[in-house]
Parts: sequence; C-alpha cells; structure tokens
Amino acid sequence: QVKLQQSGAELVKPGASVKLSCKTSGYTFSTSYMSWFKQIPGQSIEWIGMIYAGDGGTGYNQKFKGKATLTVDTSSSTAYMDLSSLTTEDSAVYFCAISVYYGLSLFDYWGQGVMVTVSS
Amino acid sequence: DIQMTQSPASLSASLGETVTIECRASEDIYNGLAWYQQKPGKSPQLLIYNANSLHTGVPSRFSGSGSGTQYSLKINSLQSEDVASYFCQQYYNYPFTFGSGTKLEIK
Repeated sequence: QVKLQQSGAELVKPGASVKLSCKTSGYTFSTSYMSWFKQIPGQSIEWIGMIYAGDGGTGYNQKFKGKATLTVDTSSSTAYMDLSSLTTEDSAVYFCAISVYYGLSLFDYWGQGVMVTVSS
Repeated sequence: DIQMTQSPASLSASLGETVTIECRASEDIYNGLAWYQQKPGKSPQLLIYNANSLHTGVPSRFSGSGSGTQYSLKINSLQSEDVASYFCQQYYNYPFTFGSGTKLEIK
C-alpha cells in the first residue's frame, strides 16, 4: 500500500536551516508529483510547492520562494524540503502529500506530518 | 491568489443531525474544489473532489455541491467519528489555497 513516512520532530534555532524528508513506498515515485504543506496548529493549511520526481522540476507558492527548496532522491524514493533562515513564524507542522489517482492537484495520500519548532 | 472563505468556524451538532459547511471563493473556480477531513493530531484526508465527487472509501453520508464561487459540504446522520476539522481547497489555479477550516463537535 502507499506510504509516506516523514522524519521526526525538529527543534532548531532562529537563523538555522532544517531538511525534512518524506520516504515513500507502494507507488511509482519516479513519475509522481510531491507537494509540501505548512500548518500552524489550530490554523489553516498552506501549500508550499511541488516537485516532479521524474526530472526534479519544481513549482512554488510565491510566499515560500527563498524559504523552501524541494528536492528528490529517486534511488530511495524520498522527497526532501529544505527550510532556510528559520524564524519563529516557521514553527509549524509540515506535511508531504501526493495524488495517486487524481493528477497533481488533489492529495489522497499524506505523510504523518513533522513538527518544526524554531526557538532559541 | 484565490481566497477561500469558509464558514462557520465552528459547529456543534447532535448525533444523527445533518450539518452543512460553506466555502466561498474570491473568483469562479469552475468546480475545482476539494474537501478534507482532519482529525486532531492527524493528517488531512480527502473526502470530496470536483466539488461533488466522493473519494473512494468515503461514506455516502458525505456529499458536496456548488458551482462558480459557492460550495458546500453536507454531512448527513452525524456520527461520533465525524468529529474533526474540515477544510476546503481550490485547485483551479496556483497557488492551491485552503479555507480557514470548520471545527465540528458533537453536542
């Protein structure tokens, strides 16, 4: 079955960077689109951007350009998101998600989410 | 960006009741709308796509409707496992945007 397993919670200092991972199985990673999302607990969901695993092509929400960098490793079917120059406003739960049945715009499989806490 | 205005922010209803959640887009999204359910501490789960199509495995008590800028999610015969937050998402245009969410509780 399809699985998206995200890395564990992170506690990072302001100004630092963090790299989150999303290891996948159960579907053809190399022809899929992976999206990433941000959710501050108790609030709405923001789409950060997406990456096509086939060629590494990316598309970002303008709000997150310069903040997030998406990459993939097709040999391990893993997607990554680098978050840079972290501030307290980046403290949130981050999800990876894909569409297996609906193209690239709907999300029927999600990772479990990873809490990133930015604090000195 | 397309703004999604969702209402109400919270909702309390009794078991067996029918509830409706509304979502209004800032421009026509041509039925490019999905609904997600998110239980506390969990990831969102797709319920409805294309405004009114039920995702595989979703109970038939969930239904979606609407067109243009106005959309709604209806839950018939409310059950205890429906306690969750619900979010709409437009995918007609980039960036994908979500409503602010509706927290559903049982009275």
